[in-house]
Parts: sequence; structure tokens; C-alpha cells
Amino acid sequence: EDKVVQSPLSLVVHEGDTVTLNCSYEVTNFRSLLWYKQEKKAPTFLFMLTSSGIEKKSGRLSSILDKKELFSILNITATQTGDSAIYLCAVFDSGGSNYKLTFGKGTLLTVNP
Amino acid sequence: DSGVTQTPKHLITATGQRVTLRCSPRSGDLSVYWYQQSLDQGLQFLIQYYNGEERAKGNILERFSAQQFPDLHSELNLSSLELGDSALYFCASSPGDDGGNQPQHFGDGTRLSIL
Repeated sequence: EDKVVQSPLSLVVHEGDTVTLNCSYEVTNFRSLLWYKQEKKAPTFLFMLTSSGIEKKSGRLSSILDKKELFSILNITATQTGDSAIYLCAVFDSGGSNYKLTFGKGTLLTVNP
Repeated sequence: DSGVTQTPKHLITATGQRVTLRCSPRSGDLSVYWYQQSLDQGLQFLIQYYNGEERAKGNILERFSAQQFPDLHSELNLSSLELGDSALYFCASSPGDDGGNQPQHFGDGTRLSIL
């Protein structure tokens, strides 16, 4: 059974802090790892990672994948209250009956002013 | 706005009933995915359709079924509803059939409440 574990489950920080969210995984046939941000409604796509060691960056957010150690991190620098959300990590398994995207339970980030 | 449209936004019904959730994918996307999100289980993959054909199946109950129509919109049918079916149901879409090579973009979901 595929497994995606995120830590911490929740995090409270002050505006301007830097945070690191973790995602570890166990899947049969790794294809890609994705990060999503979920506020009140739809998860919105942040990053897709397929290769180890290559950082993806978008503004204050960045992410990197380690396929040897089976984990990824999502960094957010100079946090703002608008970054408050649940951050979801998902891994795509392309093997046989496991062919699907498996999500972790998410990290709830609260950024206080 | 992801471009994925789901209706209705909310649905309240009783145990034993049947409901239909509808999804229109982003323009140009041929794959539609259905997910169930509950507080204890997180986001769970149910089923994928690509260009009208079933492509992959997840933890979808036999009481649930889906289809994708020639205009590419999809419907998820839930029957013999139980209290435990109360959840947020998301639809997502992507351009091709390879779910691992392209990000899926999600609609705003349908909140189903069973009384």
C-alpha cells in the first residue's frame, strides 16, 4: 500500500518567519511528487517534482526532491498571513493496480501577523 | 480559478438515497479524476476517465459509479447513501491520460451531507 507522510501536522508561525514542510513517501513505482495548497476550497497546484536535487522555485516558495531518501521539502520564506493554508503532498505511483496519486494528510500552516 | 467546474456546491440528502455530482474539466483536458476528502481519511482517489474510457480505479465503492460523456464532462453517481459517505467530493482534470506526468487541477468540490 502506498504511503505518504507529512510533518509536522500543524505549524503556527509569525509573519516573516521561514518554514520547512516535510513529506516522506513509500510507493512501488515512483513517477512524480506534487505539492498543493488548499485554502477553503480546491487544492491549487504548486510544484511537480520528478528528478532528485533540482530545486523548483516560485517566488517565496521552493521545493526539492530526494529520491534516494524518499522525501521532499517545501520551503516558504518571509511568510505572510496569506500563506495560511493546508499544504498537501502527493505522490504518483505508475505501477499496475497502484496507478494513482496518493495524498498525505497535509500540514496546516497558520501565519499570525 | 482552476477552470474545473463542479455542481452542485452543496448537497444534503438522506440515507438510502442516490445523488449525481457533475464535473466539467478545463478546456482541452481529456482526463477527469474523482476524489473523496473526509476529515479522517484525507484525499482519496476514486476513479479516472480519459476521453470517455475508464483509465484507473482507486478505492471506489461498488455503490459508486462514474462516466465521462462525449463532451468530456463527467458524472459521479452515489447510491444507497450511508452516513459515512458525507464528505467533500473533488473532481480534477489534466490534459492527457498520464496522471503522473502532468499536474491535476482541481474544482471547488461538492460538499455532500447525509442526514
